[in-house]
Amino acid sequence: GAGVSQSPSNKVTEKGKDVELRCDPISGHTALYWYRQSLGQGLEFLIYFQGNSAPDKSGLPSDRFSAERTGGSVSTLTIQRTQQEDSAVYLCASSLVSGAGSNQPQHFGDGTRLSIL
Amino acid sequence: SQKIEQNSEALNIQEGKTATLTCNYTNYSPAYLQWYRQDPGRGPVFLLLIRENEKEKRKERLKVTFDTTLKQSLFHITASQPADSATYLCALADYGGATNKLIFGTGTLLAVQP
Repeated sequence: GAGVSQSPSNKVTEKGKDVELRCDPISGHTALYWYRQSLGQGLEFLIYFQGNSAPDKSGLPSDRFSAERTGGSVSTLTIQRTQQEDSAVYLCASSLVSGAGSNQPQHFGDGTRLSIL
Repeated sequence: SQKIEQNSEALNIQEGKTATLTCNYTNYSPAYLQWYRQDPGRGPVFLLLIRENEKEKRKERLKVTFDTTLKQSLFHITASQPADSATYLCALADYGGATNKLIFGTGTLLAVQP
């Protein structure tokens, strides 16, 4: 499969538990993005990784959210002490980068649907 | 900060007609603008990109225009088909930081009736 892969596709957990969401980008894509999409809403930017540069974490809603990207490939988004308002679809995307002001399209996975009980 | 406005109401049209979707932005004109299609339960799929110095871009039955004076992009689907029914998102590059993240609109739901 050549596309962006996310797992799990669905996750139901109890309030207060920690969750880990995984993203496997397209091989060779140096840029990786995480977004959150609530029901009927647009995509909310969370975090952006580009190569070996420090990630842009400006969209993370609280310090309960963190993400890492190991070896420049797979990324994990972690939400600690989950709250009901964290319920949403978490989407990952990857892209090539061609210099400053990249105009490359983003390729999305189908997301993880997270439900907090 | 940059804001994007897309019609929140669904657009219903008859098969064979041209669908026109609108994307307005409020602040600086971006260097480029992208359109995506999203089906229920799926991630967005890239359709077209248009640069600020391009007035119009075409791909098969799709046409995008970009008017930096009006701060608006129009997305047209000609000879629409029921299979075109989906949510269409526009996205702009955010140059507020040193990164290339996109700001997405909330999307417009298109329903093509057979």
